Amino acid sequence: DAMVIQNPRYQVTQFGKPVTLSCSQTLNHNVMYWYQQKSSQAPKLLFHYYDKDFNNEADTPDNFQSRRPNTSFCFLDIRSPGLGDAAMYLCATSRAAERAYNEQFFGPGTRLTVL
Amino acid sequence: GQNIDQPTEMTATEGAIVQINCTYQTSGFNGLFWYQQHAGEAPTFLSYNVLDGLEEKGRFSSFLSRSKGYSYLLLKELQMKDSASYLCAVREYNTDKLIFGTGTRLQVFP
Repeated sequence: DAMVIQNPRYQVTQFGKPVTLSCSQTLNHNVMYWYQQKSSQAPKLLFHYYDKDFNNEADTPDNFQSRRPNTSFCFLDIRSPGLGDAAMYLCATSRAAERAYNEQFFGPGTRLTVL
Repeated sequence: GQNIDQPTEMTATEGAIVQINCTYQTSGFNGLFWYQQHAGEAPTFLSYNVLDGLEEKGRFSSFLSRSKGYSYLLLKELQMKDSASYLCAVREYNTDKLIFGTGTRLQVFP
C-alpha cells in the first residue's frame, strides 16, 4: 500500500545531542512537509519542500534543518535539542496540482523525548 | 493574520449526532479540511470543502460558508471509536500550506 513512513516512531535524545528524524513516502508526491505538534496543540508547520525547493516558515528556529535527497525521502535534523523541542513530529505529503484539491497524507509521527 | 477557532472539548452519547464548529479568519482561502486524530496517532483526512454548501460522506458531513468564514463537521450515529480530536485546517490561497486549528477533543460515552 502507498503510504508515508516515519522512523523511528519513538526517539529519545539528550539535551543538546543532535538527532535526525526520517520520513519516506511511496506516494510519489512532490510536496513534503514537517510539522511539530505539542500536546493538545495544533500541528505547526516547520518547513516544506516543493520538489527540491525548500520553504522555511519564518518562525522556525535555526535549530531545525531539513534535507530532501530525493523525491521519496525527507529528513528533519535538530542540531541541539532543548527540552522545549519534545513533541510529536509529523511528516506529510501532497501532490500539488493546480485547481485541484490535494489533501495532505500524514505519517504516523515520531514522538521525540528530550532528557 | 491567521486565526482558526474551534471548541476545545465536546461530549456526546453513542448513537447521537454532534456538530463541531470552526470559524476562520485567514489572509487567503483555498479550501477547508477536516482531519480526525486519535491520541498519539497521525491526523487522517475526513473531508474537504472549497465551495459553499454541504459535503456528505457516510456518517460524516462537512459544511462551508465562505462569506461567514464558517464550517462545521457533522457526525451522525456516533460510535465509541469516534472519540478523537477533530482538526479544522484552512489551506492558504496559492500555496499548499495548511493552517490548523487546535482541534476539538470529542468524547463519546455509552
